[in-house]
Amino acid sequence: AQSVAQPEDQVNVAEGNPLTVKCTYSVSGNPYLFWYVQYPNRGLQFLLKYITGDNLVKGSYGFEAEFNKSQTSFHLKKPSALVSDSALYFCAVCDGGATNKLIFGTGTLLAVQP
Amino acid sequence: NAGVTQTPKFRILKIGQSMTLQCAQDMNHNYMYWYRQDPGMGLKLIYYSVGAGITDKGEVPNGYNVSRSTTEDFPLRLELAAPSQTSVYFCASSYGTSRTGELFFGEGSRLTVL
Repeated sequence: AQSVAQPEDQVNVAEGNPLTVKCTYSVSGNPYLFWYVQYPNRGLQFLLKYITGDNLVKGSYGFEAEFNKSQTSFHLKKPSALVSDSALYFCAVCDGGATNKLIFGTGTLLAVQP
Repeated sequence: NAGVTQTPKFRILKIGQSMTLQCAQDMNHNYMYWYRQDPGMGLKLIYYSVGAGITDKGEVPNGYNVSRSTTEDFPLRLELAAPSQTSVYFCASSYGTSRTGELFFGEGSRLTVL
């Protein structure tokens, strides 16, 4: 069965510093990996995805994510955090089979202090 | 384009009552999904649909029913509401499958069962 884990409930970072939000996954086939962001009282918004190809994926708002097959990880990164990046971030995985189900992690709250 | 529209945004139900959460999308997406979001639990897939007339169960379907008579609409029915169904419900749609397609989410429907 596929699963995804976000080991940190909250990440605190100062504005201007680099940020990392961690995600590890487990799938039986090729992983399809996603990051979504949720601002307060809103639905989730797509940030980026990895399907195949380069291990470093670039997405919206200056975010990027690094796929590491040996460590089964897909960490979200940004070189310089903004206060407006403060939100809830979800990692998600879909296996390469026919289930067509996107499984979400429990979410990580990112708090960027001015 | 309105995207994905959910109604109502808020609702309080008494135990045993029934209701329908409405979801409509105007992007001509074939795939539609219902998720519930509980604190610290991430999002759990309730039901999904790959096209009009075709629905399938997700991770947590018990206590819910869906129908998909048109491409645009995907209502979620709660029969005999229970306190365990207190949650925030999100409808989403995608052009392609979860594996490759970006999901577009509605703003959510907050349901409280007392």
